[in-house]
Amino acid sequence: GQSLEQPSEVTAVEGAIVQINCTYQTSGFYGLSWYQQHDGGAPTFLSYNALDGLEETGRFSSFLSRSDSYGYLLLQELQMKDSASYFCAVRDRNTGGFKTIFGAGTRLFVKA
Amino acid sequence: EAGVAQSPRYKIIEKRQSVAFWCNPISGHATLYWYQQILGQGPKLLIQFQNNGVVDDSQLPKDRFSAERLKGVDSTLKIQPAKLEDSAVYLCASSLAKGSGRDTQYFGPGTRLTVL
Repeated sequence: GQSLEQPSEVTAVEGAIVQINCTYQTSGFYGLSWYQQHDGGAPTFLSYNALDGLEETGRFSSFLSRSDSYGYLLLQELQMKDSASYFCAVRDRNTGGFKTIFGAGTRLFVKA
Repeated sequence: EAGVAQSPRYKIIEKRQSVAFWCNPISGHATLYWYQQILGQGPKLLIQFQNNGVVDDSQLPKDRFSAERLKGVDSTLKIQPAKLEDSAVYLCASSLAKGSGRDTQYFGPGTRLTVL
C-alpha cells in the first residue's frame, strides 16, 4: 500500500527556521510535492522534487532523499502569514498510470 | 489567467438529499481532479479525469457518488443520497499533466458541504 507520515503540528517563532518532515512508502515513487493551505483556502503548490537534493525557492526549500523515502520542507525567516497547513504529496506511478497521494498535513503555528 | 472555478461555495442539505457541484478548470488543462477534504485531514482523491476519460475512480463511493466531465472541459460531481459523513470540502483541481510525472495541481476555492 501507500502511506505518508508528517507531524500533525509544528510551532515556531517569527523569524526562525522550521523544518517539516515527510516520510513515505509507495510502490512506484516518482516525486514529492509540497502544498500550502491557509484556513478556509485552497491548497497552493510550493515545490516538487523528483531527484535527490535540495530545491530552493525564495524562503522555502524542499529536500528529497529517495534512498531514505524521506523529504522535508524548510521555511526560513518565518512570517506570521506562514501560519498554515503544509501537505506533502507523493507522485506514484503504477500500471494504471500516475497518481498523487496527499499526506494528512502539518499545521504550522508561527508565534510573534 | 483565470483560476479553477467552483460553485456553489457553500451548501447545506439534509441527509438523503442530493447535491451537485460544478467545476471549470483552467483553460487547456487536460487533467481534472475531485478531492474530498474532511476537516483536519489531507485531500482525498475521489476521481481523476484526463480529458473526458476517467483515469482513477478507485476511491469514489460509486453507490452514491457520480462524476462526469463533458467535452473534456468542465465537470460535475453529484452525491445522491447524501450521508452525514459526506460533510466536507470538495475541492476541484486541474493540471496540464498528460500522463507525465510532474503534476502541478491548481485548486479551486472548494465547496463546503454540510449534511444535517
